[in-house]
Amino acid sequence: DAMVIQNPRYQVTQFGKPVTLSCSQTLNHNVMYWYQQKSSQAPKLLFHYYDKDFNNEADTPDNFQSRRPNTSFCFLDIRSPGLGDAAMYLCATSRDFAGQGNQPQHFGDGTRLSIL
Amino acid sequence: TQLLEQSPQFLSIQEGENLTVYCNSSSVFSSLQWYRQEPGEGPVLLVTVVTGGEVKKLKRLTFQFGDARKDSSLHITAAQPGDTGLYLCAGEGGSNYKLTFGKGTLLTVNP
Repeated sequence: DAMVIQNPRYQVTQFGKPVTLSCSQTLNHNVMYWYQQKSSQAPKLLFHYYDKDFNNEADTPDNFQSRRPNTSFCFLDIRSPGLGDAAMYLCATSRDFAGQGNQPQHFGDGTRLSIL
Repeated sequence: TQLLEQSPQFLSIQEGENLTVYCNSSSVFSSLQWYRQEPGEGPVLLVTVVTGGEVKKLKRLTFQFGDARKDSSLHITAAQPGDTGLYLCAGEGGSNYKLTFGKGTLLTVNP
């Protein structure tokens, strides 16, 4: 029944060691988003894809990259994680952009990333 | 840049009490979404309000969109421990591609 699935739920990595988080969706939505969320704060948008078109938020560090090989899957790569990157990472989808009106986002349960 | 001010930021109440969470902006939004996020999970959409003055009810939860579509409120009647979570409002229309999120209200309902 799950529509947006994130793996793994928990990830521990070492300082500076690359890590990849994955997200898959069964909704066939055009848009996929990656958010970073710290300690009960609002999610912060990192980047999004509309189909294969990638858009980076201006304040997303270069350390963060993303790939979307097909409609269903999207990956978040953190090339050299620092202690400040420890957070919950949320993937979300929507059928179309928010500007099109009434476009709720469907979130996965997130990956909690810890940095040793 | 459009902003959504959400208040209060933290709320701790006893089971059975009523509460209201506010989401305010100086800007107009085409619609506003409310999400609840339980610990260790992703946000889940509760409701979308679209029309100015609209009121929607979801069991013990009542959502209202301001007449001018600049503000919204969430009222919970007779809160239960299962209502505990982070409540997020998010507006559409501030940007052509992304939601504008409020900072969230962390609600704890004590038995």
